[in-house]
Amino acid sequence: DQQVKQNSPSLSVQEGRISILNCDYTNSMFDYFLWYKKYPAEGPTFLISISSIKDKNEDGRFTVFLNKSAKHLSLHIVPSQPGDSAVYFCAAPENYGQNFVFGPGTRLSVLP
Amino acid sequence: EAGVAQSPRYKIIEKRQSVAFWCNPISGHATLYWYQQILGQGPKLLIQFQNNGVVDDSQLPKDRFSAERLKGVDSTLKIQPAKLEDSAVYLCASSLDPGGSYEQFFGPGTRLTVL
Repeated sequence: DQQVKQNSPSLSVQEGRISILNCDYTNSMFDYFLWYKKYPAEGPTFLISISSIKDKNEDGRFTVFLNKSAKHLSLHIVPSQPGDSAVYFCAAPENYGQNFVFGPGTRLSVLP
Repeated sequence: EAGVAQSPRYKIIEKRQSVAFWCNPISGHATLYWYQQILGQGPKLLIQFQNNGVVDDSQLPKDRFSAERLKGVDSTLKIQPAKLEDSAVYLCASSLDPGGSYEQFFGPGTRLTVL
């Protein structure tokens, strides 16, 4: 079974600085990972993904890094903005890649 | 395009009562998911449909939870009878197809409180 851990329940960062959110997973049979962002009273929205053929994927201010040997992902946000304040979930594949297991989330607060 | 619709947004019931949630996925999306999100945790998959067939319901507590997706479009999730530990946000999501290459779009969720 896939297990996903996000060991930092919360993170506070000053506006303009880098935010780094970490994620660890246990089952590397299918290497395709997702990050979702969630605002209060809304459903999660897809942010960025990465597959095992890459070790980095960049989309604007958001970059995800994959370390397959360590079974570790990180999401970098540079520069951080107050609108980035949200809960961020990492998700790893399960059931032969048919669905995903979500981590417990990291609450990011970007302070002006 | 319209997003995933869910109703109701909030529901308060007493334990042992029944409750039902409704989801209308994005038009054309074959795959529909129901998740349970308990406070402080990530969404946990309850059931996954591909059109009107069940792909995965291994984590659905079948003694009290049931779900259906008639005609491969709308879906309902029912809890009968509810327990205190069922208090959570119930999220519906849809995607064009299963698998990681197809983004899941989430609805706003239904917040259930069981007293």
